Amino acid sequence: GAVVSQHPSWVICKSGTSVKIECRSLDFQATTMFWYRQFPKQSLMLMATSNEGSKATYEQGVEKDKFLINHASLTLSTLTVTSAHPEDSSFYICSARGGGGERSNYGYTFGSGTRLTVV
Amino acid sequence: GESVGLHLPTLSVQEGDNSIINCAYSNSASDYFIWYKQESGKGPQFIIDIRSNMDKRQGQRVTVLLNKTVKHLSLQIAATQPGDSAVYFCAEKVAAGNKLTFGGGTRVLVKP
Repeated sequence: GAVVSQHPSWVICKSGTSVKIECRSLDFQATTMFWYRQFPKQSLMLMATSNEGSKATYEQGVEKDKFLINHASLTLSTLTVTSAHPEDSSFYICSARGGGGERSNYGYTFGSGTRLTVV
Repeated sequence: GESVGLHLPTLSVQEGDNSIINCAYSNSASDYFIWYKQESGKGPQFIIDIRSNMDKRQGQRVTVLLNKTVKHLSLQIAATQPGDSAVYFCAEKVAAGNKLTFGGGTRVLVKP
């Protein structure tokens, strides 16, 4: 159990366009979803936390108007990178957490990541 | 040996030997810790976790040790196999919080 599906796995887009990344919890309801960004040879940096039906909470330094997060249901969150530029090229990873607490099977489950390349 | 700078610290280990990966966590208020394994181009994969009221927890071939006095966490992998080659991250969560903060990561290279 506790599977998180992330799509697409990779995407190439032109500078100035927008890209949407989806994160779905397949077999549990995710009360909270997290979006991370990871540059090569670096750790995961949290971008934002989203709770179903409410606005996302962004980490310091993350532009909320550039990285739009929607968590419309308990199984789906989307991250839209608006007006993408080459410096937005990165590996984006989502994580979903169910309501069972850390020690249940529905702790923090990660998606497989999306490699975004902006050209 | 280890490399620093733009590269992740690297632990080279002979196949069959034991590996020890260390992590210094930042927040004394953290009460829950997780070790993740990340292979190239993939998301982090859960390995083992531990709460702050414990100092040791064992899984299959893995052991996590927690020393709250010095804010240190370690992951021991017994009989390291080629499939263990990956980057390993520790993550911490503060009490009453919801988000995980990741450490810098260590690359493990298993030599045949």
